Amino acid sequence: DSGVTQTPKHLITATGQRVTLRCSPRSGDLSVYWYQQSLDQGLQFLIQYYNGEERAKGNILERFSAQQFPDLHSELNLSSLELGDSALYFCASSLGTGGVPQYFGPGTRLLVL
Amino acid sequence: SQELEQSPQSLIVQEGKNLTINCTSSKTLYGLYWYKQKYGEGLIFLMMLQKGGEEKSHEKITAKLDEKKQQSSLHITASQPSHAGIYLCGADISGAGSYQLTFGKGTKLSVIP
Repeated sequence: DSGVTQTPKHLITATGQRVTLRCSPRSGDLSVYWYQQSLDQGLQFLIQYYNGEERAKGNILERFSAQQFPDLHSELNLSSLELGDSALYFCASSLGTGGVPQYFGPGTRLLVL
Repeated sequence: SQELEQSPQSLIVQEGKNLTINCTSSKTLYGLYWYKQKYGEGLIFLMMLQKGGEEKSHEKITAKLDEKKQQSSLHITASQPSHAGIYLCGADISGAGSYQLTFGKGTKLSVIP
């Protein structure tokens, strides 16, 4: 158990809908990262927050947004969902930024029908 | 082309055999991270390598970083069924102190009892 929690574990929704994925980092970790894992693209970095502020952006679509709250939990919002958004979404956390291990949560499996 | 190439893509070994997985980067490595993933589950952090020539071991798994070759290898000695899974290398290739990890596509390891 990495100490990172993610909810829900599974999510099934329809195209055009909006969903919110939630992540609680390990106790004491200030950085939260979101990744998307699909069969064709592999594991791809989406976005990082550090202590409530956005720190780095990767291949995140404009339909996706995230935020980190004062208690350090984070939410990833996915809107206008398309079939191609079906994937495993991972949250990871680390104590700092760069040069330290990132610990991954169990993931949320999203299926868009 | 893929920035981080892992080889082989899959590996089937008899229990007790040794094996090596390679991870080669097309860019300078500022940090290299090895993770293990059970199918459809979260990533388990194994080791972090940061300096050229660095070598780390945990139980029967050893990882080395060859910075000049921009390559890392993961060696498992006397493999066991519990070693089965997908091994992913992730690296900081955006620049020293960056925050996002780029991952290889993974090596699927099966260990036959």
